[in-house]
Amino acid sequence: EAQVTQNPRYLITVTGKKLTVTCSQNMNHEYMSWYRQDPGLGLRQIYYSMNVEVTDKGDVPEGYKVSRKEKRNFPLILESPSPNQTSLYFCASSPSSGNTIYFGEGSWLTVV
Amino acid sequence: GENVEQHPSTLSVQEGDSAVIKCTYSDSASNYFPWYKQELGKRPQLIIDIRSNVGEKKDQRIAVTLNKTAKHFSLHITETQPEDSAVYFCAASKEGGGYQKVTFGTGTKLQVIP
Repeated sequence: EAQVTQNPRYLITVTGKKLTVTCSQNMNHEYMSWYRQDPGLGLRQIYYSMNVEVTDKGDVPEGYKVSRKEKRNFPLILESPSPNQTSLYFCASSPSSGNTIYFGEGSWLTVV
Repeated sequence: GENVEQHPSTLSVQEGDSAVIKCTYSDSASNYFPWYKQELGKRPQLIIDIRSNVGEKKDQRIAVTLNKTAKHFSLHITETQPEDSAVYFCAASKEGGGYQKVTFGTGTKLQVIP
């Protein structure tokens, strides 16, 4: 089954404790992205990747890091999480630019 | 950068009526405009999209129109049903050139009242 898988789905963590949200897609898509969803603000792009070792900032990259060492994986790293990073995070993939975006199921992250 | 504004933020309609959601964008170079539906507790999923070389596209009860000159596009849902209740997001991006920056609107919560 074609899918985007992200883990963990739910996480409560403390300020400053590094965490990684993993993302994997099995559709051989070139493009992968991370979004955060907050009430009233919609979906905001954090980072995106156009291919292995090619990443770029989205609209809200501060406080996040990403890497794309393999085509299928695109982890999101929060080096020192803060409460304002409490949000619902979506990983997504797409076969090309200007094409359908396939979202993962989402990861609820709470930073206390 | 691109800015996408979406209105209204909430919309209530009676079952069977039509619903219209409007979006405007700022970057005239944007040429791909998808609409995503997000049911409660689920991921967003594409329902329809339109490219800048087309003025209108229909898929059963759903249609999207695009006015490039005015830089706005709209989602039209006819004969609404309770299962249409969800949050709808519009988006704008550029197709081609290896560019994948996507800007979403802030969403419209549609409630269809039986």
